Amino acid sequence: DSGVTQTPKHLITATGQRVTLRCSPRSGDLSVYWYQQSLDQGLQFLIQYYNGEERAKGNILERFSAQQFPDLHSELNLSSLELGDSALYFCASNPGGAGGTDTQYFGPGTRLTVL
Amino acid sequence: DAKTTQPNSMESNEEEPVHLPCNHSTISGTDYIHWYRQLPSQGPEYVIHGLTSNVNNRMASLAIAEDRKSSTLILHRATLRDAAVYYCILREVGTNAGKSTFGDGTTLTVKP
Repeated sequence: DSGVTQTPKHLITATGQRVTLRCSPRSGDLSVYWYQQSLDQGLQFLIQYYNGEERAKGNILERFSAQQFPDLHSELNLSSLELGDSALYFCASNPGGAGGTDTQYFGPGTRLTVL
Repeated sequence: DAKTTQPNSMESNEEEPVHLPCNHSTISGTDYIHWYRQLPSQGPEYVIHGLTSNVNNRMASLAIAEDRKSSTLILHRATLRDAAVYYCILREVGTNAGKSTFGDGTTLTVKP
């Protein structure tokens, strides 16, 4: 158990809909990262937040957005869903900062299925 | 972003050592080399990391080439529970430290 929690575990929805995925980082961690893992594209970094502010951005679509709240939990919002958005979405956390030594602790993931 | 190249798959026998290679020819002087693994139906978990010197921990050893263009993750005695996808990634220092390119990884199969 990494200490990172994600809800829900599974989500099934239809094309065009909007969903929100939630992540609670390990106690004391200031950084939250979101990743998407699909069968054909592997593990893709989406976005990082550090203490409420966006820190780094990866291949995140404009239809997707994220935020980190004052209690440090984070939400990933996915809108106008397409079949290709079906994937596992992982959240990771670490104490933060800008050091290359920081280990990331991953949650169990949310499996999103878009029908 | 600097990228890594790993073999798609490797096989090992149980209780034998496993050497998982990773090439990172475009690594910059301040990039750290991290290894993670992902067991079936789980999120990735940290294995080990290093900068220039070889590193050991309770899970594995990391051997880094002198020119840092390649590294090898060493599992000293593979067990069935080590069957996983192993990712070699580079982590920058600074504001881009969070951007980790995971690549496709190496799927390790351990045979009893």
